[in-house]
Amino acid sequence: EPEVTQTPSHQVTQMGQEVILRCVPISNHLYFYWYRQILGQKVEFLVSFYNNEISEKSEIFDDQFSVERPDGSNFTLKIRSTKLEDSAMYFCASGGYSAGELFFGEGSRLTVL
Amino acid sequence: LAKTTQPISMDSYEGQEVNITCSHNNIATNDYITWYQQFPSQGPRFIIQGYKTKVTNEVASLFIPADRKSSTLSLPRVSLSDTAVYYCLVGDRAEYGNKLVFGAGTILRVKS
Repeated sequence: EPEVTQTPSHQVTQMGQEVILRCVPISNHLYFYWYRQILGQKVEFLVSFYNNEISEKSEIFDDQFSVERPDGSNFTLKIRSTKLEDSAMYFCASGGYSAGELFFGEGSRLTVL
Repeated sequence: LAKTTQPISMDSYEGQEVNITCSHNNIATNDYITWYQQFPSQGPRFIIQGYKTKVTNEVASLFIPADRKSSTLSLPRVSLSDTAVYYCLVGDRAEYGNKLVFGAGTILRVKS
């Protein structure tokens, strides 16, 4: 079964550093998303991406964040100048033609010290 | 996306059928109802989606009454591994494409 893969599975960084989280969506999917989940809290929408541009973003997704699809397979989330409160699990998801059916990766756990 | 209301938590025993109801009084004509499951430290996983009446797959059934103001996810004969958070989402296809928003969900605890 095709799956969404994310790297790294866990990253530890110092406050103020930049991190890049990588995702390989399912190959024939068109819609791409990033979500985050702070420990013990709900899954929060960050951004959706379609046709090489952002479709929608939440209020969390400010200038500190950016997304990119640098080639035909990868989808990245860049977090600049990380803060302690950015510590969370970040999930990438992709979707095809079946609206509402998203496939999520296993997540990248970000720890900011 | 229409607002949804689910119980915060439910407890069950192995082998029982579990029904989780979601209220969505403001559901719109074009909205679909979708349920996800999330295990600890994993991403949400799509379970089932429906528009009206009943939908069944190998994992669950989804019952939607005629007025569509609520829906019930039915898990037959649960096991300990069904312990997870279950999310109900309501939205139209355009909204789903742009933004799938998760609420707090229902924590299901299955006991032996």
